[in-house]
Amino acid sequence: EADIYQTPRYLVIGTGKKITLECSQTMGHDKMYWYQQDPGMELHLIHYSYGVNSTEKGDLSSESTVSRIRTEHFPLTLESARPSHTSQYLCASSVTIDGPNYGYTFGSGTRLTVV
Amino acid sequence: GNSVTQMEGPVTLSEEAFLTINCTYTATGYPSLFWYVQYPGEGLQLLLKATKADDKGSNKGFEATYRKETTSFHLEKGSVQVSDSAVYFCALSDRGYQKVTFGTGTKLQVIP
Repeated sequence: EADIYQTPRYLVIGTGKKITLECSQTMGHDKMYWYQQDPGMELHLIHYSYGVNSTEKGDLSSESTVSRIRTEHFPLTLESARPSHTSQYLCASSVTIDGPNYGYTFGSGTRLTVV
Repeated sequence: GNSVTQMEGPVTLSEEAFLTINCTYTATGYPSLFWYVQYPGEGLQLLLKATKADDKGSNKGFEATYRKETTSFHLEKGSVQVSDSAVYFCALSDRGYQKVTFGTGTKLQVIP
């Protein structure tokens, strides 16, 4: 079962609306990530956080913003949605350990459609 | 920088066929290697991993061996099922910042 939760699973919204995609994890992971997945399946990192009050932009430029006020919560906000924002958004988390990385845990995703 | 190259899909196989999805990587040092699977409408799930050279990761009948000499981590399964239809992502992570680099994904369709 998933220990990282994304809501809503599906969202259809009109152009110009402000939206927040929620992501929460119960594993105590310090690192969290947001990916945008295009219809061709490729994953693009848009934001990441290495801890509370730490946020960075990812490899793909995005008009969205994020915040990390609590370890378990990493919401993504679009101030003014546009049709070009239509996509699947995936949240992930990982834990910092010495030695090999054991990978990410992903949420189920939010499929956003802007009309 | 790090990169992952995996074979393009879609790959279409009949049930019980043998599966290979090729994956090669470029990275400095000794990265950890992963295969993730994404079923329709879902997020990614970790399928298997290997953290050092010659390690074999395995899960649900899938296997992949960390080959440092050929910088490869090919995914194999001896007999695929319709339920294996999904998108498979090869990925790596270095030991420093531990950020994961993903391949572009390979869609597998298994037909009865």
